[in-house]
Amino acid sequence: SQQGEEDPQALSIQEGENATMNCSYKTSINNLQWYRQNSGRGLVHLILIRSNEREKHSGRLRVTLDTSKKSSSLLITASRAADTASYFCATDAGFSGTYKYIFGTGTRLKVLA
Amino acid sequence: EAGVAQSPRYKIIEKRQSVAFWCNPISGHATLYWYQQILGQGPKLLIQFQNNGVVDDSQLPKDRFSAERLKGVDSTLKIQPAKLEDSAVYLCASSRDRGGEQFFGPGTRLTVL
Repeated sequence: SQQGEEDPQALSIQEGENATMNCSYKTSINNLQWYRQNSGRGLVHLILIRSNEREKHSGRLRVTLDTSKKSSSLLITASRAADTASYFCATDAGFSGTYKYIFGTGTRLKVLA
Repeated sequence: EAGVAQSPRYKIIEKRQSVAFWCNPISGHATLYWYQQILGQGPKLLIQFQNNGVVDDSQLPKDRFSAERLKGVDSTLKIQPAKLEDSAVYLCASSRDRGGEQFFGPGTRLTVL
């Protein structure tokens, strides 16, 4: 079974709008990472948030983590056509020392110009 | 710094044949991962190395898949014999240490006929 599940599965927005995608997981984690995948650049790391952090920012990206609800959200502000991609959360299963990452099924974001 | 290198980029084989993939991680990265990504799904961890030791291979189909990382640098992943359901993209990633940002290679797209 998946450790991380993204929601929604697909999202279509206009350029300039904000995009929010969510990730839910099942077991305790050490950290949670968000990745982007498109055909041009493959899988690229976006941001890492540790279990003792609640919010992180990187440019137009904002990630929140709620360990009590076992969920995280990724917000992309002022979206651009170049943000069109699949977005995955990756959570480690929390097994001591192994950092075994499990990726979700992804959110496919389409930004319309 | 140079990225993660993988070869070949594409491979087409008949079922029951053997195939091998090669990965050269970023210099100095201790942790190396092999993932399998089936179309429309997130990457699935097959095996994780820390230097030249296996940290986790719980999802590696050991009856047909094998992997090694000699001298803690390059790694090879082998499938013998291949099945139709092995058709996927095989991704190699590396990180400085466990739990950190993963840098992914371009992947090898395997088609089993």
